Amino acid sequence: EVQLVESGGGLVQPGGSLKLSCAASGFTFSGSAMHWVRQASGKGLEWVGRISNKANSYATAYAASVKGRFTISRDDSTAYLQMNGLKTEDTALYYCSRLIDWGFDPWGQGTLVTVSS
Amino acid sequence: QTVVTQEPSLTVSPGGTVTLTCASSTGAVTSGYYPNWFQQRPGQAPRTLIYSTSNKHSWTPARFSGSLLGGKAALTLSGVQPEDEAEYYCLLYYGGAWVFGGGTKLTVL
Repeated sequence: EVQLVESGGGLVQPGGSLKLSCAASGFTFSGSAMHWVRQASGKGLEWVGRISNKANSYATAYAASVKGRFTISRDDSTAYLQMNGLKTEDTALYYCSRLIDWGFDPWGQGTLVTVSS
Repeated sequence: QTVVTQEPSLTVSPGGTVTLTCASSTGAVTSGYYPNWFQQRPGQAPRTLIYSTSNKHSWTPARFSGSLLGGKAALTLSGVQPEDEAEYYCLLYYGGAWVFGGGTKLTVL
């Protein structure tokens, strides 16, 4: 079964850091680009960023709202989202997803990040 | 800043047909934007219905179809069912980055 499981969310103070994980199983992980998407409570979806597959040298790209603060990385079976300089507006449910054939599948269940003092 | 625009809300009767659209502030949406459409019900993760303009997943009901229409990406639901009441999001590709539309809340009434 193709599956993604996010973890690492929690409560953090403004200006703090947090690292999210997205554990993959059931598919060839190195061949897949991985994306992070977030959703604030009651709001819409926001694309956060992505890391490409091995063939594309694991290149990264980010939304303007997180560029310079967030970093996406990966190892053999997990994608990561390192979040630094967190702001209250980064409070959201964070999802990861695989891009395959220009479509997103599957989606994880999400991990909640709360930035508050 | 690139903006992707969807209808904020639409209402359709059961058995009816409705078209949701997805427009780009940069101009006409083409296949090169690889439009994706997602369905999200309250408390659930998004589910991809359509990818790369018109391709369906194995779980996508036949009543859903994707297309390009009048310079926009479009999602058409034919023979709407009560369980289709949900939020629908489109997503467009901008050469490295992706941008979501604001979502359309579809009410089946």
